[in-house]
Amino acid sequence: KNEVEQSPQNLTAQEGEFITINCSYSVGISALHWLQQHPGGGIVSLFMLSSGKKKHGRLIATINIQEKHSSLHITASHPRDSAVYICAVSGSARQLTFGSGTQLTVLP
Amino acid sequence: KAGVTQTPRYLIKTRGQQVTLSCSPISGHRSVSWYQQTPGQGLQFLFEYFSETQRNKGNFPGRFSGRQFSNSRSEMNVSTLELGDSALYLCASDRVAGANVLTFGAGSRLTVL
Repeated sequence: KNEVEQSPQNLTAQEGEFITINCSYSVGISALHWLQQHPGGGIVSLFMLSSGKKKHGRLIATINIQEKHSSLHITASHPRDSAVYICAVSGSARQLTFGSGTQLTVLP
Repeated sequence: KAGVTQTPRYLIKTRGQQVTLSCSPISGHRSVSWYQQTPGQGLQFLFEYFSETQRNKGNFPGRFSGRQFSNSRSEMNVSTLELGDSALYLCASDRVAGANVLTFGAGSRLTVL
């Protein structure tokens, strides 16, 4: 069993829809990261959180430490949000363990 | 300010050769971490350097090595290349060690023939 599980693996949405990507992990962590990867490979760090909720523009990330679960929400989705979204956790060793990613496609 | 710079961006090698990849962090960042991304295994942590010292190492064979220089630039080396080493190699930098707010480079795409 992978330490970090993401769902769904693939997601297609219409422009304007509300999107949720889920991440579950099985080990104790010090922080959880949400990353965005566009075609060509570049990765952008969206959020790092260890508790509660963070918001940046149309993106919202939440984490429930007791349930070992995090969600990334995108409000009013846009085609430019199309990318792979990756959840990663850092534990006591402070190195990252990654989920397999969610391929999001937002259609105009 | 300049971002994280990785060179070369693309390279092709043959089995048995060795390769060196370079990563220049954002000015003022002293931590550099390296990652391998393949279609089969996804993203995996290779190692992290801080102040010229390796702080963490992932589960990779000894053919994978790295170092960090006094100006925080880092290199990683893969010796005796295998077909399975074909991957996108990404580095990320941070002000301090420990996977805080990472800034990633664009990656070096290695193809082993």
